[in-house]
Amino acid sequence: GAGVSQSPRYKVAKRGQDVALRCDPISGHVSLFWYQQALGQGPEFLTYFQNEAQLDKSGLPSDRFFAERPEGSVSTLKIQRTQQEDSAVYLCASSSGGTSGSYEQFFGPGTRLTVL
Amino acid sequence: AQKVTQAQTEISVVEKEDVTLDCVYETRDTTYYLFWYKQPPSGELVFLIRRNSFDEQNEISGRYSWNFQKSTSSFNFTITASQVVDSAVYFCALSGINQGGKLIFGQGTELSVKP
Repeated sequence: GAGVSQSPRYKVAKRGQDVALRCDPISGHVSLFWYQQALGQGPEFLTYFQNEAQLDKSGLPSDRFFAERPEGSVSTLKIQRTQQEDSAVYLCASSSGGTSGSYEQFFGPGTRLTVL
Repeated sequence: AQKVTQAQTEISVVEKEDVTLDCVYETRDTTYYLFWYKQPPSGELVFLIRRNSFDEQNEISGRYSWNFQKSTSSFNFTITASQVVDSAVYFCALSGINQGGKLIFGQGTELSVKP
């Protein structure tokens, strides 16, 4: 299919380990978003890219979180020195539009991160 | 500040009943967009509808209908003649023209349709 894909689907990390989560957006989509969804909650915004430019990272909870999209396509969310509170589902979404907020976002299946 | 409130945490109905999911929002933007997404047990968020703040027409799509009322800042979602396959968590979301495209989600309403 041509939807948003994420890998791995599941990741178990020991506290203190670094993890990297990958997102492949829909081909041609300029906008890419990362969200964090805690159990039983709605997704919460982490960061936004337009092509390779990271235009908004206001939702990243700490400086242990880092995201990149170097060629304007695939994106990686990296979490350094993971903590138990980082356990959540990390969702990636892409859209064809810019920053107006009017465009539908297509979501991937998410990566479920469990930090022991 | 932008905020979305879905006061109903869980709803349980019997198949063929009608059910309405409530959504109330807050925003200072004069132009904004409202969305509903469905999250089935598989976990992937599925887009259902988008409305802009200038279009208060209600919309019907098959068994689904949406009632947008700016006067009460509400964007409610009704499923008519519910089916077991409608069981999922439903999220209402808001995006403002000055918010850079990010979606602000409500807490979600878990709908359980029993046969």
